[in-house]
Amino acid sequence: AQSVAQPEDQVNVAEGNPLTVKCTYSVSGNPYLFWYVQYPNRGLQFLLKYITGDNLVKGSYGFEAEFNKSQTSFHLKKPSALVSDSALYFCAVRDGEGTYKYIFGTGTRLKVLA
Amino acid sequence: EAQVTQNPRYLITVTGKKLTVTCSQNMNHEYMSWYRQDPGLGLRQIYYSMNVEVTDKGDVPEGYKVSRKEKRNFPLILESPSPNQTSLYFCASSYRTGVSTDTQYFGPGTRLTVL
Repeated sequence: AQSVAQPEDQVNVAEGNPLTVKCTYSVSGNPYLFWYVQYPNRGLQFLLKYITGDNLVKGSYGFEAEFNKSQTSFHLKKPSALVSDSALYFCAVRDGEGTYKYIFGTGTRLKVLA
Repeated sequence: EAQVTQNPRYLITVTGKKLTVTCSQNMNHEYMSWYRQDPGLGLRQIYYSMNVEVTDKGDVPEGYKVSRKEKRNFPLILESPSPNQTSLYFCASSYRTGVSTDTQYFGPGTRLTVL
């Protein structure tokens, strides 16, 4: 079965600094990888996905993610953090081609400090 | 406005009393899914549906039922709720084909407490 791991429960970063939220994956076959964000008391919102193609994926709100096959990672990045980026971030993977079962990570809480 | 709606948003009930959480989407999505969110466990998929009358189990289906009689609706049924089903529940939907495949739209959540 596929899996994702988010090794950090919380990440703190100063406003204006670059941010990275880490995700590693374990899949057999081609990975379908996703990032979602959850603001307080809200549902999840899609940020970006990697299906195939360029290893650097650009998404919403200035976020991007780098797919690294050799390190089995899909880290979320942003060049300059905003206080409004503070939220809970989830990495996810589709559980194989031909299925629409999804596996989510445990989430990383990002705190951007003013 | 394109959206996924869930009702109720909050529910407190007692053990064994059957309940249904409704989910509806207005985007003509083929795919719909239910998740539960628990602290430290992230989101776990309960059931999903690829299209009308087609449903399949996710990772944590025990104690839940679903049905997909219409494309827009995907209710979650707890026939005999237990306290371990106290959780935050999310419904989601997406297209099955095209560039928007896998881009799930989530509802606002239903916070369920089972006493």
